[in-house]
Amino acid sequence: DIQMTQSPSSLSASVGDRVTITCQASQDISNYLNWYQQKPGKAPKLLIYDASNLETGVPSRFSGSGSGTDFTFTISSLQPEDIATYYCQQYDNLPLSSFGQGTKLEIK
Amino acid sequence: EVQLVESGGGLVQPGRSLRLSCAASGFTFDDYAMHWVRQAPGKGLEWVSGISWNSGSIGYADSVKGRFTISRDNAKNSLYLQMNSLRAEDTALYYCAAVSGAWGQGTLVTVSS
Repeated sequence: DIQMTQSPSSLSASVGDRVTITCQASQDISNYLNWYQQKPGKAPKLLIYDASNLETGVPSRFSGSGSGTDFTFTISSLQPEDIATYYCQQYDNLPLSSFGQGTKLEIK
Repeated sequence: EVQLVESGGGLVQPGRSLRLSCAASGFTFDDYAMHWVRQAPGKGLEWVSGISWNSGSIGYADSVKGRFTISRDNAKNSLYLQMNSLRAEDTALYYCAAVSGAWGQGTLVTVSS
């Protein structure tokens, strides 16, 4: 089974800050990685697929990079509406999958 | 509009069974593999099970292997999760999700005596 290690588990930043979250896979997953945003009481929303592709309608301040085992998710300029929990998900061997532990993002 | 609507959750005693359903609309259901994902209260997302477009490939998390069975009926645009021998630790909001990124709103399963 592929384990996903996501860090940090929580993060406090100011509006306008650049925010970075990382995800490490226990083995090579190529670019088979999604990034999701989840707000309280809501279902997760896909932001980034295939490690670096922005889902339609998602603001360009969100971006993703990486391949193999190391991945990065970035918000270039944090906005108040970005307060949420973010998850990475690998799908290297569909239909098997797994998630990172999540990163709770708060405003400082 | 893409829609996934889960149903079948509820309160069930430990050791009993429950069957979840997910009705899909607004996209070509049999083009996509599907997942069940759960989220225990206050916890993160846990992948539970997945099934390929034609049911030819199926996988389960170790935590549910041997107790849960995933299936789909492409003629009915529906996904299912048969959950047997339920435990307190199975209490969670259960989501169905397409590999395209679409998710339902979830159905709550509570396992308690």
